[in-house]
Amino acid sequence: EVQLLESGGGLVQPGGSLRLSCAASGFTFSSYAMSWVRQAPGKGLEWVSAISGSGGSTYYADSVKGRFTISRDNSKNTLYLQMNSLRAEDTAVYYCAKSMGSLEDLDAFDIWGQGTMVTVSS
Amino acid sequence: VIWMTQSPSLLSASTGDRVTISCRMSQGISSYLAWYQQKPGKAPELLIYAASTLQSGVPSRFSGSGSGTDFTLTISCLQSEDFATYYCQQYYSFPPLFGQGTKVEIK
Repeated sequence: EVQLLESGGGLVQPGGSLRLSCAASGFTFSSYAMSWVRQAPGKGLEWVSAISGSGGSTYYADSVKGRFTISRDNSKNTLYLQMNSLRAEDTAVYYCAKSMGSLEDLDAFDIWGQGTMVTVSS
Repeated sequence: VIWMTQSPSLLSASTGDRVTISCRMSQGISSYLAWYQQKPGKAPELLIYAASTLQSGVPSRFSGSGSGTDFTLTISCLQSEDFATYYCQQYYSFPPLFGQGTKVEIK
């Protein structure tokens, strides 16, 4: 079964850091680009960051550029999001999502994790 | 950045109704558009990709159309399990923005 499982969310103070993980199973992880998408409470979906299958290309939303770093360990089938200098407006459920196609860095997201909640508050 | 306008933001309908949701782009994106359904407390699920291709396992009452700048999601005969929020997303270029969402509620 194709599955994504996020972890690492929690409560952090403004200015703090957190690292999210997304464990993948059921597919050839290294063949697919992956993304992080977040959703603030009661709000819509916001794409945050993406990484190519090899890890050689990374992309960020302007709202997180310079503060967040996406990475992957294909030997461990795991995606990461290192979040630094966190702000109240980063409070959201963070989802990892798998791109459909194996040849493109950008594609529709066919598999989503269940999400992990990040709360930035003092 | 390719901006999108999704409408309406709220749609009240009854079981059995035919409903349509629109997504308009600020520039052409060919057919690089997806539609997702999200239920409260759950992750989004892919319904349609490439503007009109139904994802495996999605009921045939869902359909998508359009290309370039104007796209539509149609639910031909609304079922109780279809009351949810729907999002369009362009994946023509980075950033792959989502529409603002359309909540389909029971009339």
